[in-house]
Amino acid sequence: AQSVSQHNHHVILSEAASLELGCNYSYGGTVNLFWYVQYPGQHLQLLLKYFSGDPLVKGIKGFEAEFIKSKFSFNLRKPSVQWSDTAEYFCAVNAGAGNMLTFGGGTRLMVKP
Amino acid sequence: EPEVTQTPSHQVTQMGQEVILRCVPISNHLYFYWYRQILGQKVEFLVSFYNNEISEKSEIFDDQFSVERPDGSNFTLKIRSTKLEDSAMYFCASNPGLGSTGELFFGEGSRLTVL
Repeated sequence: AQSVSQHNHHVILSEAASLELGCNYSYGGTVNLFWYVQYPGQHLQLLLKYFSGDPLVKGIKGFEAEFIKSKFSFNLRKPSVQWSDTAEYFCAVNAGAGNMLTFGGGTRLMVKP
Repeated sequence: EPEVTQTPSHQVTQMGQEVILRCVPISNHLYFYWYRQILGQKVEFLVSFYNNEISEKSEIFDDQFSVERPDGSNFTLKIRSTKLEDSAMYFCASNPGLGSTGELFFGEGSRLTVL
């Protein structure tokens, strides 16, 4: 069975600070990796995804994530956060098309203006 | 851009009542899912559905839950006799299937409040 761990449950940053959210997964085979964002009161939206190729993937709103296979990690980064990035961020993994997505516990990010 | 739509957006019900949550997945998608998120908690997988049958389900998806694709467009989640702990946001999602990247496209959710 696959599992996803997000070690930071709550992160508070000031605007313009750099962000890195950790994500580690457990699964023995080939995986697809995702970061979803949930703004307050809204649904899940895809930030970025990795399924093959360049392990450094770029997503929307200036976010990027790096897949490090040897560390089973897929950390999310943004060089300079904005107040509007305040949201909950979920890392997720699946074994490919048609397979269920397993979510991490989420990281609640608050950006202070 | 095609999207997954869910109704109702919010439903309040009494404990013990039956509830049906409806979803219209993206039209050419083949895999359908229900997830739930209890307030302040993680997003939990309930069930996946493919080719008119359940392909996978979690421990949460017990006999009180059922899913159905009654026609070519709707995908429903039924809770037969709601409990207080069923209060949550329920998300429907769909995926195109083989050849896709595995990304799930989520609806905006149906908030269920059980009193």
